[in-house]
Amino acid sequence: AQSVSQHNHHVILSEAASLELGCNYSYGGTVNLFWYVQYPGQHLQLLLKYFSGDPLVKGIKGFEAEFIKSKFSFNLRKPSVQWSDTAEYFCAVSTGGGNKLTFGTGTQLKVEL
Amino acid sequence: GAGVSQSPSNKVTEKGKDVELRCDPISGHTALYWYRQSLGQGLEFLIYFQGNSAPDKSGLPSDRFSAERTGGSVSTLTIQRTQQEDSAVYLCASSLSLGLARNEQFFGPGTRLTVL
Repeated sequence: AQSVSQHNHHVILSEAASLELGCNYSYGGTVNLFWYVQYPGQHLQLLLKYFSGDPLVKGIKGFEAEFIKSKFSFNLRKPSVQWSDTAEYFCAVSTGGGNKLTFGTGTQLKVEL
Repeated sequence: GAGVSQSPSNKVTEKGKDVELRCDPISGHTALYWYRQSLGQGLEFLIYFQGNSAPDKSGLPSDRFSAERTGGSVSTLTIQRTQQEDSAVYLCASSLSLGLARNEQFFGPGTRLTVL
């Protein structure tokens, strides 16, 4: 079965700092990759997704992620974070044509003014 | 509706009692999923419904857990003889159809279950 690892559990940054959150998965076949975000008091929502093609995908609010197949990674990046980016971020994977999402344990990001 | 809704938002129960959690998916969404998030854990898949097909129950942790979806819309997750380890946030999601490649899963606000 596939698994997802997010090694950064808590990250604290100052506004305008650059962000990179790690995500690694374990599965040898075709994968679909996702980043979800949960802002305080809000629902989980999709930030970006990768299925095929260009391994650098862009999502909402200036976020992007790069799929590196050789490293089984899908790290999330943002060049300059804002206070409003304070949230919990989840990496998720589905395999082949499947619909079940396997999530990582999440990274709590706090952006300080 | 405007989004996925779940009820109740919070549920406190005593060990050994049965609980029912409800999910109303987005109108027109044929696929419905249940996940749970336990303290310190990621979100775990529980069960998935797609139209009239048999549900994928592969994520249910024990036979105390069951779910049904009536009329292809509302779903109820039932936990019998609750245990303290069942305490978690139970999330429901829906999507248009099979195939994540085209169809994003939209999540509800969750039901926070506390078993005393």
